Amino acid sequence: EVQLLESGGGLVQPGGSLRLSCVASGFTFRTFAVNWVRQSPEKGLEWVSAISGGAGSPYYADSVKGRFTVSRDNSKNIMSLEMNDLRPEDTALYYCARQPWGVASNGGWFDSWGQGTQVTVSS
Amino acid sequence: QSVLTQPPSVSGAPGQGVTISCTGPSVGSPYTVHWYRLFPGAAPQLLIYSDSSRPSGVPDRFSGSRSGSSATLAITGLQAEDEAVYYCQSYDLSHVLFGGGTKLTVL
Repeated sequence: EVQLLESGGGLVQPGGSLRLSCVASGFTFRTFAVNWVRQSPEKGLEWVSAISGGAGSPYYADSVKGRFTVSRDNSKNIMSLEMNDLRPEDTALYYCARQPWGVASNGGWFDSWGQGTQVTVSS
Repeated sequence: QSVLTQPPSVSGAPGQGVTISCTGPSVGSPYTVHWYRLFPGAAPQLLIYSDSSRPSGVPDRFSGSRSGSSATLAITGLQAEDEAVYYCQSYDLSHVLFGGGTKLTVL
């Protein structure tokens, strides 16, 4: 069974940093692109970042470019999201989501999701 | 504000059918549309991909279609457990795009 388990969320002050992790199991992690998608009451679902199976060419939404960095360790089946200079508008439930192929693609769908980890940015 | 437009809410009685629309410039060809539903506290679920394909395990009560710059998710035989928020997804040259979400209420 495909499973994605996020962790690392929490309460942080504006300008602070957090590192999210997504641990994958039940499939050959290195052969799938994985993404971060966030959900907030104000904006609904919003795509954040993607990284291909081979860890090349990460992609970012304009709203997080330059502040967030995605990475993956295929030996440990883990994807991470380093979030810096956090803003109140980054407050959301952050999901890890898999695309059903190895190269991250804007047009791809997300066939498996985790249950999310909550990030709250507030003073 | 989302560039994919969905109605904020739809409703229907048990056993009836409802449709949810998704419109916008990134819905027309060559773009394809995917649909998800979200329950509070649970992982989002893929319902439809590539306009009208259904993943294994999704009941055939769920169907998708696209015409011009409008896509539609149709749900027949409504059940109480269908009450959730439904999102469409498409893309443009450099972005993954989601609709604003539609809250389905089963009366």
